[in-house]
Amino acid sequence: KQEVTQIPAALSVPEGENLVLNCSFTDSAIYNLQWFRQDPGKGLTSLLLIQSSQREQTSGRLNASLDKSSGRSTLYIAASQPGDSATYLCAVDGSSNTGKLIFGQGTTLQVKP
Amino acid sequence: DTAVSQTPKYLVTQMGNDKSIKCEQNLGHDTMYWYKQDSKKFLKIMFSYNNKELIINETVPNRFSPKSPDKAHLNLHINSLELGDSAVYFCASSQGQLGYTFGSGTRLTVV
Repeated sequence: KQEVTQIPAALSVPEGENLVLNCSFTDSAIYNLQWFRQDPGKGLTSLLLIQSSQREQTSGRLNASLDKSSGRSTLYIAASQPGDSATYLCAVDGSSNTGKLIFGQGTTLQVKP
Repeated sequence: DTAVSQTPKYLVTQMGNDKSIKCEQNLGHDTMYWYKQDSKKFLKIMFSYNNKELIINETVPNRFSPKSPDKAHLNLHINSLELGDSAVYFCASSQGQLGYTFGSGTRLTVV
């Protein structure tokens, strides 16, 4: 049974810092992995999608890496800003047939001005 | 132009009532889902439909009945609402390797 864990659960950093959010999963047979952002009381915004054959994806100040063999993904945020404050969710899709996303518990990030 | 839209955004109702949440996607995706986010913010799949056909039913109580009149719509009907049904319900859609798009959620409060 696939389980997804995100560490740390919460993180508070001063503005301008580079930071790394971690995601680990127990079953390496994944179809893809997706990072989302959720603002309080809001829906999920897709940040980056990494296919199982890819090692990383980049979008602006965000870079996500995937190491299937070790069951890990990281989300790197460069030069953090107060507007980056949100909960970041990692989710793995275990099969091309079922399309079932398994989510981690999320990392709640606070970037202080 | 909203890709995945859900209505209503907020729903407050009494125990025992029956309610529906509607979802529509204009992305042309074949697969649609309902996810539930509990009070601890944990997201878990409830149902998925592929081109109007039920694919996943994650041991959700029979009081929950999804209905997909066409591949752009997936509605969720809940009978005999209980206090424990209070949560945020998210609709989502996907197409092959393109990843998932989520709606903004429906916050259901049962009193």
